[in-house]
Amino acid sequence: AQSVTQLGSHVSVSEGALVLLRCNYSSSVPPYLFWYVQYPNQGLQLLLKYTSAATLVKGINGFEAEFKKSETSFHLTKPSAHMSDAAEYFCAVTSNFGNEKLTFGTGTRLTIIP
Amino acid sequence: DTEVTQTPKHLVMGMTNKKSLKCEQHMGHRAMYWYKQKAKKPPELMFVYSYEKLSINESVPSRFSPECPNSSLLNLHLHALQPEDSALYLCASSQERGRDTQYFGPGTRLTVL
Repeated sequence: AQSVTQLGSHVSVSEGALVLLRCNYSSSVPPYLFWYVQYPNQGLQLLLKYTSAATLVKGINGFEAEFKKSETSFHLTKPSAHMSDAAEYFCAVTSNFGNEKLTFGTGTRLTIIP
Repeated sequence: DTEVTQTPKHLVMGMTNKKSLKCEQHMGHRAMYWYKQKAKKPPELMFVYSYEKLSINESVPSRFSPECPNSSLLNLHLHALQPEDSALYLCASSQERGRDTQYFGPGTRLTVL
């Protein structure tokens, strides 16, 4: 079975500071990894995905993530936080084998301090 | 265009009511999903339709009944719900079931009185 662990249910950063949201995965087969963002009372919006091509993945809104197999990690970063980045962020995993479901982490709430 | 639409946006219903949630996508996707999301929790998969064939999460109670009239439409029929069923219900679609990116709709906020 696949799973993801998001370290830190709440992260606060100052506006303009580096954003780092952590995600570690567990998978017995090559994983497909996703980061989604959810603003209050809205659906989930795809930020970026890793599908075994380049290990450094660039997404929307200036976010990027690096797949590190040796560390089983897929951390999300943004060089400079903006107030509009305040939201809930979910890491998720699936695979290319069979009808695997998309398994979500527990989420990280990002707060931006003015 | 990666839009999934859901109606209604908000729904309040009593425990004896029958109501339906609707979801639509025009991306030619062959898999569609219903998720339930409680506050401060990740989405939980309820049902998957792939090529209009249903897969069920065995833990979902029978008071939730999905329907897929065609490959673009997905309904969730609600009957005799309980207050604990109050949640955000999200629809998603993907090109194929499994590895492909799932695109989510804005959700229906359901309150059961």
